[in-house]
Amino acid sequence: EPEVTQTPSHQVTQMGQEVILRCVPISNHLYFYWYRQILGQKVEFLVSFYNNEISEKSEIFDDQFSVERPDGSNFTLKIRSTKLEDSAMYFCASSNAGNTIYFGEGSWLTVV
Amino acid sequence: GENVEQHPSTLSVQEGDSAVIKCTYSDSASNYFPWYKQELGKRPQLIIDIRSNVGEKKDQRIAVTLNKTAKHFSLHITETQPEDSAVYFCAAETTGFQKLVFGTGTRLLVSP
Repeated sequence: EPEVTQTPSHQVTQMGQEVILRCVPISNHLYFYWYRQILGQKVEFLVSFYNNEISEKSEIFDDQFSVERPDGSNFTLKIRSTKLEDSAMYFCASSNAGNTIYFGEGSWLTVV
Repeated sequence: GENVEQHPSTLSVQEGDSAVIKCTYSDSASNYFPWYKQELGKRPQLIIDIRSNVGEKKDQRIAVTLNKTAKHFSLHITETQPEDSAVYFCAAETTGFQKLVFGTGTRLLVSP
């Protein structure tokens, strides 16, 4: 069964450093997402991406965040200057219009 | 925007009992309601979903009901097993926005 894959599975970074989280969505999917989950809390929407542009973003997705689809397969989330409160599990997801959203295994980010 | 409330936050049952988790949503335009199961440190996995043109859907021991008028939907698990123990999240999505708004989760513990 096709899967959304994410790298790295776990990253520790110093506060203020830039982080890039990478995702390979399911190959025939057109919609891509990033969600995050702070430990013990609910899953929160960050951003959706369609047709090479952001289609919607949440209040969490401020100027420190950006997304990119640098080639035909990868979808990345960049955090420019990490803060302690950015520590969370970041899930990439993909779907086709009107269909199930599939989540990757997540990238656990720890900011120290 | 959409707001999803979920109850209870924790639920303990004996093996073989039924479990019911309830969610309410605020946006009457929401029309897709998935339920995800999340085991510790893992990704959310879709277990069942329902669209607004259907009142009930069943898949073996799992069923979901939707009341559009009252804006609430519920997950029913019958004949619970210890491996059903996990955190369950409901979510709501509005067509055109392509984002899921999650509930706060229910930790289900099934004791043998």
